[in-house]
Amino acid sequence: DTGVSQDPRHKITKRGQNVTFRCDPISEHNRLYWYRQTLGQGPEFLTYFQNEAQLEKSRLLSDRFSAERPKGSFSTLEIQRTEQGDSAMYLCASRIGQTEQYFGPGTRLTVT
Amino acid sequence: DQQVKQNSPSLSVQEGRISILNCDYTNSMFDYFLWYKKYPAEGPTFLISISSIKDKNEDGRFTVFLNKSAKHLSLHIVPSQPGDSAVYFCAASGTRGDDKIIFGKGTRLHILP
Repeated sequence: DTGVSQDPRHKITKRGQNVTFRCDPISEHNRLYWYRQTLGQGPEFLTYFQNEAQLEKSRLLSDRFSAERPKGSFSTLEIQRTEQGDSAMYLCASRIGQTEQYFGPGTRLTVT
Repeated sequence: DQQVKQNSPSLSVQEGRISILNCDYTNSMFDYFLWYKKYPAEGPTFLISISSIKDKNEDGRFTVFLNKSAKHLSLHIVPSQPGDSAVYFCAASGTRGDDKIIFGKGTRLHILP
């Protein structure tokens, strides 16, 4: 069990560029979650998958955001036309059954 | 609108003493409460949880108390150790199986030598 991994750990991009983050959940965890954490705030739910199906999306997930989990294993979160307000830590978590959510180390995005 | 509130941004406690972190919530539909701990450059780590049918849950040095009528919960750490210095997030959900967890803003705990 290697835990939840996220790549990259840090990303600096210019406003208007597209970025993509990857999350590899704990193997056999069928549920995968994306959260966003800004400075001074707790993690805020963005979306979650059960296997490959995206079951819920937060209002925070604007049209510029898209998440996929094509084979029910790893997931990607893409942000198109980034804005400075997108600067945040993007956290991924996974779980199976009634276990607690296990978080990855996060990807810190800075939009300049 | 913050449904889970941690009103103390930071707390300093002497090593060996008791640390008490507080949390209030507004949504009476919350049925399951969790505490997560976060070190810098790491993701949150689950610490302890409690269902609304209980008023106390204990795990080693960590105890969570729930006062449902006051919509208040607290995390007690006894005795406090240097490795406890971290940010602690209070969180809540509708049920244990609920996929949406609502987090508070966190309390930074400093354990003083």
